Amino acid sequence: NAGVTQTPKFQVLKTGQSMTLQCAQDMNHEYMSWYRQDPGMGLRLIHYSVGAGITDQGEVPNGYNVSRSTTEDFPLRLLSAAPSQTSVYFCASSYSNPGQTPSTDTQYFGPGTRLTVL
Amino acid sequence: DAKTTQPNSMESNEEEPVHLPCNHSTISGTDYIHWYRQLPSQGPEYVIHGLTSNVNNRMASLAIAEDRKSSTLILHRATLRDAAVYYCILMGGAQKLVFGQGTRLTINP
Repeated sequence: NAGVTQTPKFQVLKTGQSMTLQCAQDMNHEYMSWYRQDPGMGLRLIHYSVGAGITDQGEVPNGYNVSRSTTEDFPLRLLSAAPSQTSVYFCASSYSNPGQTPSTDTQYFGPGTRLTVL
Repeated sequence: DAKTTQPNSMESNEEEPVHLPCNHSTISGTDYIHWYRQLPSQGPEYVIHGLTSNVNNRMASLAIAEDRKSSTLILHRATLRDAAVYYCILMGGAQKLVFGQGTRLTINP
């Protein structure tokens, strides 16, 4: 298994440009999520999905869109990039919703995409 | 979401045990305690989790207080590769992980 893969690894954008960060997993996981991590900070949840066709907002959703047309893929779209979106973006997946009880499922994280917006 | 409190940083020596504390005084009865770590320039990785009883796996041990208001991640013999940020996270009814700032662990050779 490749696990969770993310592309690209690095990206530089100009303010106002749009782009899509790709995330894919080959573990048949139902739950996928996107986080951002600013320098010296913990991870903050942007959006998540509990299955194909179902998405919901996390803590910091503004400026980002997601869709989940297949179990494997969960792309994150930046609509109009801003310097405040400069960050490292991590995608994660797990077999089931981490909120289910018992909450024993573990999350698998991708290697991250380092995004700079000028 | 229930919160966790961890020291910002800790330091230890190679091949010595490391005890990383976490306070979670508002934990609910169904919350599991999970630990993840993030090595430099990598995504977080799962370390261990537990509910009430102490847990051991190949990476670490988790000691949970009887009242469940605190827990301790134990690395039995730290190596340089264990230098990372360690996150203590409560997972329960919410459909998401909430990461705090974690503890930055430095291992001295």
